[in-house]
Amino acid sequence: KQEVTQIPAALSVPEGENLVLNCSFTDSAIYNLQWFRQDPGKGLTSLLLIQSSQREQTSGRLNASLDKSSGRSTLYIAASQPGDSATYLCATPNQAGTALIFGKGTTLSVSS
Amino acid sequence: GAGVSQSPSNKVTEKGKDVELRCDPISGHTALYWYRQSLGQGLEFLIYFQGNSAPDKSGLPSDRFSAERTGGSVSTLTIQRTQQEDSAVYLCASSLDGIINNSPLHFGNGTRLTVT
Repeated sequence: KQEVTQIPAALSVPEGENLVLNCSFTDSAIYNLQWFRQDPGKGLTSLLLIQSSQREQTSGRLNASLDKSSGRSTLYIAASQPGDSATYLCATPNQAGTALIFGKGTTLSVSS
Repeated sequence: GAGVSQSPSNKVTEKGKDVELRCDPISGHTALYWYRQSLGQGLEFLIYFQGNSAPDKSGLPSDRFSAERTGGSVSTLTIQRTQQEDSAVYLCASSLDGIINNSPLHFGNGTRLTVT
């Protein structure tokens, strides 16, 4: 059964710093891996989706990488801003392809 | 252009009452998902609908929970005889195709259910 873990649970950085969020999964036979952002009291917003055949995806200041052999994905945020403060979650489909299995998220706080 | 819409945004109910939560997915999206998010907990999968296929109900926590999707569009999650442990945010998501076909999920803002 796939399990997804995110470390650390919380992270505080000053504005302008580059940072990396980590996601690990136990079963390397994944279809894809998705990163989401959740603001307080809101739903999740899809940030990036990395297909199984891909190594990374980029969107603006965000870069997500995927290493299936080691069961890891990282989300790199460049030049962080206070508006980046949110909870970031990673997720990957279950074997049946009927649900995403989520990590518990990393809550990021960027101070100005 | 509208995203996933959920109603109501907040619901307070007394223990033992039944509640219905509604989800309007993005038009044309074939897949629809319900999740539950409790304070301090991760997202818990509840049920998945894909086109005309039989839904995956494996995540429903008890037989008090049921869901349907009419006409391949709007979905309703029903909780009968609510209990205090049912208090949570219920999130609905939709995707253009199945997640194994690399379709990203689009989430609504959720319904916050409080059972008193």
